[in-house]
Amino acid sequence: NAGVTQTPKFRVLKTGQSMTLLCAQDMNHEYMYWYRQDPGMGLRLIHYSVGEGTTAKGEVPDGYNVSRLKKQNFLLGLESAAPSQTSVYFCASSYVRGRLYEQYFGPGTRLTVT
Amino acid sequence: LAKTTQPISMDSYEGQEVNITCSHNNIATNDYITWYQQFPSQGPRFIIQGYKTKVTNEVASLFIPADRKSSTLSLPRVSLSDTAVYYCLVGDGRGSTLGRLYFGRGTQLTVWP
Repeated sequence: NAGVTQTPKFRVLKTGQSMTLLCAQDMNHEYMYWYRQDPGMGLRLIHYSVGEGTTAKGEVPDGYNVSRLKKQNFLLGLESAAPSQTSVYFCASSYVRGRLYEQYFGPGTRLTVT
Repeated sequence: LAKTTQPISMDSYEGQEVNITCSHNNIATNDYITWYQQFPSQGPRFIIQGYKTKVTNEVASLFIPADRKSSTLSLPRVSLSDTAVYYCLVGDGRGSTLGRLYFGRGTQLTVWP
C-alpha cells in the first residue's frame, strides 16, 4: 500500500495564480484532512471531510476550497494565491474504530508564493 | 475540543529516559489523548493513544492520571534518531468535532550524543 500520497511535492506560484493540490489514500479511510504548517508552528487544519461528497471548514479555511468527489481523493484548491499562503501543506486520512482515531499523513507539499 | 499545552523544547542525552508532559485541563469525558512524532520535512506519525491509566507499545509509554487533565509521554533510552517534534492531541475522533482539532506547536526534543 502507498498510504497517503500528495502531488506535487514542490510548487512555486506567482501571486494571483491558481493551483490544485491532490491527496490520495488507498486505505479506504472515511476521513481526510488538509493542514498547513508554517515555520516554527504546529499544524493548522484548513478543511476536512468525513466522507465522499462532504467537506467542512477547519481553523484556517479562508483562501482555500476543497472537494471530495471520490472517497480516495481530497483536493485542495487555491483560487488566487497570496504570499501568506506560502507554507507546507499536509494531507492526512483516518478511520474510526469505536472512539479511537489515528491519522496517517502524506509527505507534504512545499508551496512558495512570490 | 480541549486545547493542549506542552513545553516548547526539551534536551536529553542518548540512553536517557525522556518524559514530555502535556496539559489538557478541559478534556471531555469522551476524549482520547493521542501523541504524534514529526521529523523534519516529513508528516507527523502516530505514536500512541490512550484514555486513562497507562498504555505501552514498542515505541513509548503514555501515563494518564485519574483526573486526565494531563498526560506524559515517556520515551525509554532515547537515541539521536528520536530528535523530533512531539505533538499532543486531544479529541474524541467523531466527525462532528474534527473541525476543532488542535495540534499546537508541539515539543521539540533534541537528543545529544
